[in-house]
Amino acid sequence: KAGVTQTPRYLIKTRGQQVTLSCSPISGHRSVSWYQQTPGQGLQFLFEYFSETQRNKGNFPGRFSGRQFSNSRSEMNVSTLELGDSALYLCASSLDGLSNQPQHFGDGTRLSIL
Amino acid sequence: AQKVTQAQTEISVVEKEDVTLDCVYETRDTTYYLFWYKQPPSGELVFLIRRNSFDEQNEISGRYSWNFQKSTSSFNFTITASQVVDSAVYFCALSEGTSGTYKYIFGTGTRLKVLA
Repeated sequence: KAGVTQTPRYLIKTRGQQVTLSCSPISGHRSVSWYQQTPGQGLQFLFEYFSETQRNKGNFPGRFSGRQFSNSRSEMNVSTLELGDSALYLCASSLDGLSNQPQHFGDGTRLSIL
Repeated sequence: AQKVTQAQTEISVVEKEDVTLDCVYETRDTTYYLFWYKQPPSGELVFLIRRNSFDEQNEISGRYSWNFQKSTSSFNFTITASQVVDSAVYFCALSEGTSGTYKYIFGTGTRLKVLA
């Protein structure tokens, strides 16, 4: 069974640009969550999607947005990039996003802002 | 408010030593779940174990064991006879909520270095 796939693995952007990251969950998983990981802040929850609807959201500015498609694949978009957005962005999927279900993570997209 | 504290930022041990990673959590819910994940240098977090709030039995899986104590709100992880391959960052996480509004809260992680 294929795991969670994130593309691209690495990205370099400059301030002010925008970026789109992609995540394909494990087949059959309908919940997709996104996290930002930085050395100083650890893993911070961005948002969770289920059946194409954002069901839960963390404390990030509106520059961070996402969407989920009918096949459960998800994209995350960050607009007007700032230096502080440099981080590892992790996507995780679970069957239904219930609190008792473990999440399965992808390898992440490492975003560097110059 | 929910909170997960992993006070140990980094631990170094010599191979074959036992090591315990501490995790303390805060929650107001009576139903919640605790998890441990391992993040090797490659970056992908790997699920290790889940424990629900009603099950305080300790668990052992090979060289890994987990001690869940509600009285002290702790869910500690012990690696027996550590190996170099155990070197990674380990995260403890708390999940609460019963329907679609769950939130995973991660601790800041403990970096374990096992030296040969």
